[in-house]
Amino acid sequence: ETGVTQTPRHLVMGMTNKKSLKCEQHLGHNAMYWYKQSAKKPLELMFVYNFKEQTENNSVPSRFSPECPNSSHLFLHLHTLQPEDSALYLCASSPPVPNEQFFGPGTRLTVL
Amino acid sequence: GESVGLHLPTLSVQEGDNSIINCAYSNSASDYFIWYKQESGKGPQFIIDIRSNMDKRQGQRVTVLLNKTVKHLSLQIAATQPGDSAVYFCAENSPYNQGGKLIFGQGTELSVKP
Repeated sequence: ETGVTQTPRHLVMGMTNKKSLKCEQHLGHNAMYWYKQSAKKPLELMFVYNFKEQTENNSVPSRFSPECPNSSHLFLHLHTLQPEDSALYLCASSPPVPNEQFFGPGTRLTVL
Repeated sequence: GESVGLHLPTLSVQEGDNSIINCAYSNSASDYFIWYKQESGKGPQFIIDIRSNMDKRQGQRVTVLLNKTVKHLSLQIAATQPGDSAVYFCAENSPYNQGGKLIFGQGTELSVKP
């Protein structure tokens, strides 16, 4: 248990649905991250937030919309996704760099 | 057994043997490196890290070696156990990366035969 939680753990959605992924950490970290992990591929960084401000958007399609209301919570809002968006979505947090990132268990997303 | 993460994504070893997982990193300016272990259905978990002012660091049954000359990182696991079966990722951090962005390797799947 790393102190980073994610809900839901599994999500199945249609292409027209709207859903949100939630990430929470109470480790006192200031940075939070969203990653996409597809089979046989390296982790793909999607978004980075430092002190609630988005500092990185790694050319992510607008159907993925992040939200960071405070330094402990991070959301990923999903809208009109495609089947190729099916993957494991991982949240991580970290103290000031350079330091390790602590990962949550991930949300396994399936888009039908 | 020995593997290079990007070219041999699967490594199979006998229980009790030592495992060596290799990683070639990309940025000569990278100053911090991490090894993560990811078991099926779980998020990556920290194993060990090393900073660029060191060339070796030891943990419990694990050792990380850093060769900056050839930009090479390795993870050695002593007396490999079935519980070590997982995918292992290396990650690098460059001081030029904004916001603590880590660059991850593809990963190597370690399979331990009993």
